[in-house]
Amino acid sequence: GNSVTQMEGPVTLSEEAFLTINCTYTATGYPSLFWYVQYPGEGLQLLLKATKADDKGSNKGFEATYRKETTSFHLEKGSVQVSDSAVYFCALTKGTSGTYKYIFGTGTRLKVLA
Amino acid sequence: DVKVTQSSRYLVKRTGEKVFLECVQDMDHENMFWYRQDPGLGLRLIYFSYDVKMKEKGDIPEGYSVSREKKERFSLILESASTNQTSMYLCASTTGFRETQYFGPGTRLLVL
Repeated sequence: GNSVTQMEGPVTLSEEAFLTINCTYTATGYPSLFWYVQYPGEGLQLLLKATKADDKGSNKGFEATYRKETTSFHLEKGSVQVSDSAVYFCALTKGTSGTYKYIFGTGTRLKVLA
Repeated sequence: DVKVTQSSRYLVKRTGEKVFLECVQDMDHENMFWYRQDPGLGLRLIYFSYDVKMKEKGDIPEGYSVSREKKERFSLILESASTNQTSMYLCASTTGFRETQYFGPGTRLLVL
Protein backbone atom coordinates (compact mmCIF):
# COMPACT_ATOMS: atom_id res chain seq x y z
CA GLY A 1 0.00 0.00 0.00
CA ASN A 2 0.88 3.67 -0.05
CA SER A 3 3.18 4.94 2.69
CA VAL A 4 5.46 7.80 3.69
CA THR A 5 8.65 7.44 5.70
CA GLN A 6 10.42 10.43 7.16
CA MET A 7 13.42 10.73 9.39
CA GLU A 8 12.95 10.49 13.09
CA GLY A 9 13.52 13.54 15.18
CA PRO A 10 14.09 15.59 17.02
CA VAL A 11 16.49 17.52 14.86
CA THR A 12 18.38 20.22 16.75
CA LEU A 13 20.27 22.90 14.83
CA SER A 14 21.88 26.21 15.51
CA GLU A 15 20.49 29.30 13.85
CA GLU A 16 21.70 29.74 10.24
CA ALA A 17 22.55 26.04 9.88
CA PHE A 18 21.53 24.03 6.80
CA LEU A 19 18.47 21.83 7.19
CA THR A 20 17.58 18.56 5.49
CA ILE A 21 14.63 16.41 6.51
CA ASN A 22 14.43 13.21 4.52
CA CYS A 23 11.17 11.84 3.15
CA THR A 24 10.65 8.79 0.97
CA TYR A 25 7.39 7.35 -0.24
CA THR A 26 5.87 4.15 -1.57
CA ALA A 27 3.10 4.52 -4.11
CA THR A 28 2.24 3.38 -7.58
CA GLY A 29 1.83 5.95 -10.30
CA TYR A 30 2.33 9.64 -9.66
CA PRO A 31 1.10 10.86 -6.30
CA SER A 32 1.07 14.52 -5.31
CA LEU A 33 3.57 15.26 -2.53
CA PHE A 34 3.33 17.80 0.27
CA TRP A 35 5.22 19.20 3.22
CA TYR A 36 3.10 20.55 6.06
CA VAL A 37 4.32 22.39 9.14
CA GLN A 38 2.76 22.45 12.60
CA TYR A 39 3.77 25.24 14.95
CA PRO A 40 3.21 24.72 18.69
CA GLY A 41 -0.46 24.74 19.64
CA GLU A 42 -1.68 24.97 16.05
CA GLY A 43 -3.03 22.77 13.29
CA LEU A 44 -1.04 21.83 10.20
CA GLN A 45 -0.52 24.30 7.39
CA LEU A 46 0.83 23.72 3.92
CA LEU A 47 4.49 24.59 3.48
CA LEU A 48 4.98 23.47 -0.13
CA LYS A 49 3.86 20.88 -2.64
CA ALA A 50 4.74 19.22 -5.94
CA THR A 51 2.41 17.40 -8.28
CA LYS A 52 4.69 15.74 -10.83
CA ALA A 53 8.17 14.33 -11.21
CA ASP A 54 11.02 16.88 -11.13
CA ASP A 55 8.73 19.61 -9.82
CA LYS A 56 10.31 21.77 -7.13
CA GLY A 57 8.10 23.21 -4.44
CA SER A 58 9.34 26.24 -2.53
CA ASN A 59 8.11 28.60 0.16
CA LYS A 60 9.66 30.75 2.92
CA GLY A 61 13.17 29.59 1.95
CA PHE A 62 12.23 25.90 2.10
CA GLU A 63 12.54 23.71 -0.99
CA ALA A 64 11.78 20.12 -1.95
CA THR A 65 12.12 18.35 -5.30
CA TYR A 66 9.88 15.48 -6.43
CA ARG A 67 12.33 12.68 -7.34
CA LYS A 68 10.52 9.83 -9.01
CA GLU A 69 13.66 7.74 -9.51
CA THR A 70 14.46 7.69 -5.78
CA THR A 71 10.83 8.08 -4.59
CA SER A 72 11.92 10.96 -2.40
CA PHE A 73 10.80 14.48 -1.48
CA HIS A 74 13.45 15.77 0.92
CA LEU A 75 12.91 19.14 2.59
CA GLU A 76 15.81 21.62 2.64
CA LYS A 77 16.50 25.11 3.86
CA GLY A 78 19.79 26.91 3.55
CA SER A 79 19.69 28.90 6.78
CA VAL A 80 17.20 28.07 9.53
CA GLN A 81 15.83 30.55 12.05
CA VAL A 82 14.54 30.07 15.58
CA SER A 83 11.05 30.74 14.20
CA ASP A 84 11.33 27.57 12.06
CA SER A 85 11.08 25.43 15.19
CA ALA A 86 8.06 23.22 14.55
CA VAL A 87 7.00 19.72 13.52
CA TYR A 88 7.25 18.96 9.79
CA PHE A 89 5.09 16.36 8.06
CA CYS A 90 5.64 14.82 4.66
CA ALA A 91 2.47 13.61 2.94
CA LEU A 92 1.15 12.19 -0.31
CA THR A 93 -2.19 11.85 -1.94
CA LYS A 94 -3.39 9.73 -4.78
CA GLY A 95 -6.46 7.90 -5.84
CA THR A 96 -9.43 9.00 -7.84
CA SER A 97 -11.88 11.76 -7.15
CA GLY A 98 -14.17 10.78 -4.31
CA THR A 99 -11.95 7.98 -3.07
CA TYR A 100 -8.59 9.60 -2.50
CA LYS A 101 -6.83 9.77 0.81
CA TYR A 102 -3.88 11.62 2.21
CA ILE A 103 -1.06 9.62 3.78
CA PHE A 104 1.14 11.36 6.33
CA GLY A 105 4.54 10.55 7.74
CA THR A 106 5.03 10.47 11.50
CA GLY A 107 6.47 14.00 11.62
CA THR A 108 9.93 15.37 12.38
CA ARG A 109 10.37 17.85 15.20
CA LEU A 110 12.86 20.63 14.47
CA LYS A 111 14.35 22.73 17.23
CA VAL A 112 16.52 25.71 16.26
CA LEU A 113 18.72 27.25 18.92
CA ALA A 114 19.74 30.91 18.94
CA ASP B 1 -8.19 32.95 3.42
CA VAL B 2 -9.69 29.57 4.14
CA LYS B 3 -10.75 29.18 7.70
CA VAL B 4 -11.41 25.89 9.44
CA THR B 5 -12.66 26.16 12.98
CA GLN B 6 -13.13 23.51 15.63
CA SER B 7 -15.62 23.85 18.45
CA SER B 8 -13.18 23.42 21.33
CA ARG B 9 -9.43 23.63 21.83
CA TYR B 10 -9.47 21.51 24.98
CA LEU B 11 -12.01 19.02 26.32
CA VAL B 12 -12.07 16.82 29.39
CA LYS B 13 -14.63 14.00 29.44
CA ARG B 14 -15.41 10.94 31.53
CA THR B 15 -15.25 7.36 30.31
CA GLY B 16 -18.56 6.35 28.77
CA GLU B 17 -19.69 9.88 27.88
CA LYS B 18 -20.88 10.73 24.40
CA VAL B 19 -18.60 13.35 22.90
CA PHE B 20 -19.25 15.67 19.97
CA LEU B 21 -16.44 17.43 18.13
CA GLU B 22 -17.53 19.95 15.54
CA CYS B 23 -15.69 21.37 12.57
CA VAL B 24 -16.80 24.21 10.31
CA GLN B 25 -15.14 25.48 7.13
CA ASP B 26 -16.05 28.69 5.37
CA MET B 27 -14.79 28.09 1.82
CA ASP B 28 -17.45 25.83 0.36
CA HIS B 29 -15.08 22.83 0.29
CA GLU B 30 -16.68 19.56 -0.67
CA ASN B 31 -14.26 17.28 1.15
CA MET B 32 -13.74 17.13 4.88
CA PHE B 33 -11.63 14.87 7.07
CA TRP B 34 -11.15 13.89 10.68
CA TYR B 35 -7.74 12.75 11.94
CA ARG B 36 -6.27 11.91 15.27
CA GLN B 37 -2.68 12.81 16.02
CA ASP B 38 -0.62 10.82 18.50
CA PRO B 39 3.11 11.07 19.27
CA GLY B 40 5.14 8.74 17.08
CA LEU B 41 2.13 7.79 14.97
CA GLY B 42 1.61 10.96 12.98
CA LEU B 43 -1.87 11.61 11.62
CA ARG B 44 -4.31 8.76 11.22
CA LEU B 45 -7.52 9.15 9.25
CA ILE B 46 -10.71 8.38 11.14
CA TYR B 47 -13.41 9.32 8.62
CA PHE B 48 -13.80 11.52 5.60
CA SER B 49 -16.69 12.94 3.62
CA TYR B 50 -16.73 14.08 0.01
CA ASP B 51 -20.28 15.35 -0.06
CA VAL B 52 -23.17 16.21 2.21
CA LYS B 53 -24.53 13.08 3.89
CA MET B 54 -21.69 11.02 2.40
CA LYS B 55 -19.04 9.43 4.58
CA GLU B 56 -16.23 6.96 4.19
CA LYS B 57 -14.31 5.08 6.84
CA GLY B 58 -10.68 5.88 7.20
CA ASP B 59 -7.99 3.74 8.79
CA ILE B 60 -9.23 3.79 12.39
CA PRO B 61 -13.04 4.28 12.45
CA GLU B 62 -13.76 1.96 15.39
CA GLY B 63 -15.42 3.77 18.27
CA TYR B 64 -16.23 6.83 16.15
CA SER B 65 -19.04 8.01 13.93
CA VAL B 66 -19.55 11.17 11.87
CA SER B 67 -22.30 13.39 10.62
CA ARG B 68 -22.41 15.78 7.69
CA GLU B 69 -25.82 17.39 7.35
CA LYS B 70 -24.53 20.64 5.84
CA LYS B 71 -21.65 21.20 3.48
CA GLU B 72 -19.73 23.45 5.85
CA ARG B 73 -20.01 21.30 8.97
CA PHE B 74 -18.51 17.89 9.77
CA SER B 75 -19.02 16.41 13.21
CA LEU B 76 -17.08 13.61 14.88
CA ILE B 77 -18.92 11.61 17.53
CA LEU B 78 -17.40 9.37 20.17
CA GLU B 79 -20.35 7.18 21.11
CA SER B 80 -18.88 6.06 24.43
CA ALA B 81 -15.57 7.70 25.20
CA SER B 82 -12.71 5.53 26.39
CA THR B 83 -9.31 6.44 27.77
CA ASN B 84 -7.56 5.21 24.62
CA GLN B 85 -9.37 7.96 22.71
CA THR B 86 -7.37 10.60 24.55
CA SER B 87 -5.66 12.38 21.70
CA MET B 88 -5.41 15.48 19.53
CA TYR B 89 -8.18 15.59 16.92
CA LEU B 90 -7.67 17.53 13.72
CA CYS B 91 -10.25 18.47 11.14
CA ALA B 92 -9.31 19.35 7.56
CA SER B 93 -11.02 20.33 4.33
CA THR B 94 -10.04 20.51 0.69
CA THR B 95 -11.56 21.54 -2.61
CA GLY B 96 -10.84 18.28 -4.36
CA PHE B 97 -8.59 15.53 -5.49
CA ARG B 98 -4.85 16.22 -4.99
CA GLU B 99 -5.48 19.66 -3.57
CA THR B 100 -4.07 21.24 -0.41
CA GLN B 101 -5.74 20.32 2.85
CA TYR B 102 -6.63 23.15 5.24
CA PHE B 103 -6.54 22.24 8.91
CA GLY B 104 -8.30 23.52 11.98
CA PRO B 105 -6.34 24.29 15.16
CA GLY B 106 -7.16 20.93 16.73
CA THR B 107 -9.05 19.74 19.80
CA ARG B 108 -7.05 18.15 22.56
CA LEU B 109 -9.33 15.60 24.23
CA LEU B 110 -8.61 14.01 27.58
CA VAL B 111 -10.79 11.09 28.63
CA LEU B 112 -10.60 10.25 32.33
